[in-house]
Amino acid sequence: RKEVEQDPGPFNVPEGATVAFNCTYSNSASQSFFWYRQDCRKEPKLLMSVYSSGNEDGRFTAQLNRASQYISLLIRDSKLSDSATYLCVVKLGYGGSQGNLIFGKGTKLSVKP
Amino acid sequence: DTGVSQDPRHKITKRGQNVTFRCDPISEHNRLYWYRQTLGQGPEFLTYFQNEAQLEKSRLLSDRFSAERPKGSFSTLEIQRTEQGDSAMYLCASSDPGGADTQYFGPGTRLTVL
Repeated sequence: RKEVEQDPGPFNVPEGATVAFNCTYSNSASQSFFWYRQDCRKEPKLLMSVYSSGNEDGRFTAQLNRASQYISLLIRDSKLSDSATYLCVVKLGYGGSQGNLIFGKGTKLSVKP
Repeated sequence: DTGVSQDPRHKITKRGQNVTFRCDPISEHNRLYWYRQTLGQGPEFLTYFQNEAQLEKSRLLSDRFSAERPKGSFSTLEIQRTEQGDSAMYLCASSDPGGADTQYFGPGTRLTVL
């Protein structure tokens, strides 16, 4: 079983749509959770950290369910510029092997006019 | 630009040749990570430095791979006797454990082995 699994995608949505991405992780010892965004042929960039209480940043809302080992990302009122691959990421701890990021394969989003 | 930089951005080489990549982290970051990303996959961890000490190596890092960070600043990743399976994007990231320990990635070096 992959350590981090995501919806395979791709997601093709019209502008203004709401889209949700789901992710599960296998290691219950995971301490930190993130969504990174990666544009085509570019490096991953941190979109947002994910906290147990859930958190929101503008049109983006992230949720974490530790009991189910499940992470989600909701994008409201999607824009053309949201088109990218969204990577679900977990970290076991801090430093050494605990500090490296474990990435899912990513889900590709394409927002159409 | 004060972000993570990598050089070269692209490298094409023939099978069996040696290649070396360089990463310059954000200046105040003492943690440096190397990852590899192949098409359709997320990045995979290769190795990690805290200052000049290499503290962890993934099992993905075969004996043909070696990484250094001699003065705790820039790092190099060398691949000896390259194979076609080494073709990938090699990403470097750095973080500041005194802050949020967020990892910031460089633009990557895209390696193509012919």
